[in-house]
Amino acid sequence: AQSVTQLGSHVSVSEGALVLLRCNYSSSVPPYLFWYVQYPNQGLQLLLKYTSAATLVKGINGFEAEFKKSETSFHLTKPSAHMSDAAEYFCAVEDSSYKLIFGSGTRLLVRP
Amino acid sequence: EPEVTQTPSHQVTQMGQEVILRCVPISNHLYFYWYRQILGQKVEFLVSFYNNEISEKSEIFDDQFSVERPDGSNFTLKIRSTKLEDSAMYFCASSPGQGSDTQYFGPGTRLTVL
Repeated sequence: AQSVTQLGSHVSVSEGALVLLRCNYSSSVPPYLFWYVQYPNQGLQLLLKYTSAATLVKGINGFEAEFKKSETSFHLTKPSAHMSDAAEYFCAVEDSSYKLIFGSGTRLLVRP
Repeated sequence: EPEVTQTPSHQVTQMGQEVILRCVPISNHLYFYWYRQILGQKVEFLVSFYNNEISEKSEIFDDQFSVERPDGSNFTLKIRSTKLEDSAMYFCASSPGQGSDTQYFGPGTRLTVL
């Protein structure tokens, strides 16, 4: 069965610093992988997705993620954090019946 | 830009009461989903719906739960007799297809069972 592990329930960075949010997945088939962001009191918004094309995926708001099959990872990065990036980030894998399996989420705090 | 909408945004109910959570998926989408997020926990799948029938349901989705697409636009989740542990944020999602197609989420309904 597919599963997702997000290391670090909270990540704190300074404004302008690199953002790195970790995601490892388990899947018996080539996965479709997603990063969603949840701002306070809002729903889940798609940041980016991997669908077996390019391994480096660019998303909205300057985020990108790299699919590494050998490491079963799909880490999310952004070169320079902005205060508006403070939110909760969820990594998800689509399973064989097309439902999303979510990680436990990482709350990103951005310090001024 | 089209979006998934959900009503109400907050629902407070007494244990044992029935609640209906409503969703309007994106108009040309064919696949519909309900997920929930108990406070402090993961977002978890409840049910998927296609062609007017349930495609898959999780262990959580027991006989107390039902879904319906009563007309061409709405998609509802009914909980017949709410329990304290049903308190959660409920998200509706829709997608045009499956596989690599994105599931678009609504803003959620926060259900509080007293």
